[in-house]
Amino acid sequence: GAVVSQHPSWVICKSGTSVKIECRSLDFQATTMFWYRQFPKQSLMLMATSNEGSKATYEQGVEKDKFLINHASLTLSTLTVTSAHPEDSSFYICSARPGTDASPLHFGNGTRLTVT
Amino acid sequence: GQNIDQPTEMTATEGAIVQINCTYQTSGFNGLFWYQQHAGEAPTFLSYNVLDGLEEKGRFSSFLSRSKGYSYLLLKELQMKDSASYLCAVLDSNYQLIWGAGTKLIIKP
Repeated sequence: GAVVSQHPSWVICKSGTSVKIECRSLDFQATTMFWYRQFPKQSLMLMATSNEGSKATYEQGVEKDKFLINHASLTLSTLTVTSAHPEDSSFYICSARPGTDASPLHFGNGTRLTVT
Repeated sequence: GQNIDQPTEMTATEGAIVQINCTYQTSGFNGLFWYQQHAGEAPTFLSYNVLDGLEEKGRFSSFLSRSKGYSYLLLKELQMKDSASYLCAVLDSNYQLIWGAGTKLIIKP
């Protein structure tokens, strides 16, 4: 149980274009989802907390107008990287908890974004 | 500030035992998680400790001492597939997850 599905697994886009990444909780409802970014050989960095039916909460230093988050249902959150640049190339991973705040996070398989 | 420390890299031999330590200083404590992350993949959940003591799950065990702000992950009968990064993460008083930088474990034949 507690499966989180993320799509696409990888994407290559041109500089200046936008990319949308989907995160779905397949067998549970998630009022909150978390978006992480991970650069090579570095730790996970929380970008934002996605809240169903309300605005996302962004971490310090993360541009909310560049990384648009929509959490329109209890099983789907999307992250759109707008006007992507090569420095946005990274591994983006979503996660959610199937239970209480103390339950473990379950991660999607991640999306490797390459901006050319 | 909040801080989690774990070794950057460790090397062990196939079939042996390795212990990966994690020390933390956080604003409150609501549990500690260990995750495994293979290169190029997302993390997968290994264990959760909220009370002091040892939790055993097959070849993997996790220990917690809240008074010392200390945990370790013990891996027995190491296999080549255990080569991965191991991430320690603590839930603080606001249920925010604070991540360590991860320990890269290299298994040699």
